[in-house]
Amino acid sequence: NAGVTQTPKFQVLKTGQSMTLQCAQDMNHNSMYWYRQDPGMGLRLIYYSASEGTTDKGEVPNGYNVSRLNKREFSLRLESAAPSQTSVYFCATGLTYEQYFGPGTRLTVT
Amino acid sequence: AQRVTQPEKLLSVFKGAPVELKCNYSYSGSPELFWYVQYSRQRLQLLLRHISRESIKGFTADLNKGETSFHLKKPFAQEEDSAMYYCALGAGGFKTIFGAGTRLFVKA
Repeated sequence: NAGVTQTPKFQVLKTGQSMTLQCAQDMNHNSMYWYRQDPGMGLRLIYYSASEGTTDKGEVPNGYNVSRLNKREFSLRLESAAPSQTSVYFCATGLTYEQYFGPGTRLTVT
Repeated sequence: AQRVTQPEKLLSVFKGAPVELKCNYSYSGSPELFWYVQYSRQRLQLLLRHISRESIKGFTADLNKGETSFHLKKPFAQEEDSAMYYCALGAGGFKTIFGAGTRLFVKA
């Protein structure tokens, strides 16, 4: 049981480049989440998916898109990366408010 | 407004001393509160939930609705408790709001 897996672990992008962060869970949970973690700001919700086929904006959705591919997979896409998107990105899944996190993706945009 | 406030960015205590990590929340409904912990080079994990009234690794947290607080306490800190701690609020509609976090450093 891997729990929640994320790829890649690290990524460096140039301003304007695009990329997709992948997340998969084998915990059979309906809800999945994408957060960003920045120093002094804690975790902020980017997008979430309450169930397969639905997605909703969180606190900081601008500059991101998501796809809930199936029950297991939830991807986050940056269409045109900006330096302000330099952060650590966490995927999570959960039952109501108890959440289980992936290991994170450290993204640097230069 | 729904908000979680952790007033201390860094808390440093000596091994064996009591520790209290503060958390205050703002929420109009009936709150569900949690503490999450992130040890160095590990993923964020749930430490405890208020509804269970449990003690995990010697930590306890009591929900005080009058003071809108959910402080995390441990009577005798250990070096292995050094980590980043996040207070979190279940805010309705599958959303969880996290505080900014407090880094706990336990000195030998």
